[in-house]
Amino acid sequence: DAGVIQSPRHEVTEMGQEVTLRCKPISGHDYLFWYRQTMMRGLELLIYFNNNVPIDDSGMPEDRFSAKMPNASFSTLKIQPSEPRDSAVYFCASSSIWGQGNSGANVLTFGAGSRLTVL
Amino acid sequence: AQKVTQAQTEISVVEKEDVTLDCVYETRDTTYYLFWYKQPPSGELVFLIRRNSFDEQNEISGRYSWNFQKSTSSFNFTITASQVVDSAVYFCALSEQGTGANNLFFGTGTRLTVIP
Repeated sequence: DAGVIQSPRHEVTEMGQEVTLRCKPISGHDYLFWYRQTMMRGLELLIYFNNNVPIDDSGMPEDRFSAKMPNASFSTLKIQPSEPRDSAVYFCASSSIWGQGNSGANVLTFGAGSRLTVL
Repeated sequence: AQKVTQAQTEISVVEKEDVTLDCVYETRDTTYYLFWYKQPPSGELVFLIRRNSFDEQNEISGRYSWNFQKSTSSFNFTITASQVVDSAVYFCALSEQGTGANNLFFGTGTRLTVIP
């Protein structure tokens, strides 16, 4: 398996522009997560999906952020309009609660991340 | 309140030394899960281990070992005979059954530098 695939790996844009980050989860995984990593706030969960349905978006910072999962193999995180404070590394992760033994907890497999710089 | 505390921000050791990374967690759930992830300089997050709250048995995997103690709410990670390739940021994380065990609360990480 190729793992979780994110694109672009690096994005530099100007304030006010729209940014779209993409994620392809591991085939068969029914959970998908978007995390953001910054020096100030560390790793924080933005939103997660189960079977393509958003379950918890309480971590989405504001209305400028939106996430979709139109099918089991693709998700996007969009920022419109972008601001300098959105500069961060955005990670996508996927997991399946099945096949994890009897622990009952997801083991998240992370993508390589998308480093966003907003000037 | 911080659910996961990694008090050591940075640690430097000389190659072949042993090193222990501390993790203290806080939760009111009786069922919870603890994780360690490694983030090497390349930036990806690599899963190392998961434990559930009912299994306090320590675990060893090669040069890595984990000491889970519910009495002190700690889940410490020891690397024996450290190597340069161990240089990375290590994150401890917690998920709670009460939130569906789907949200990982990460600590702030410990940056380990192994000096050759």
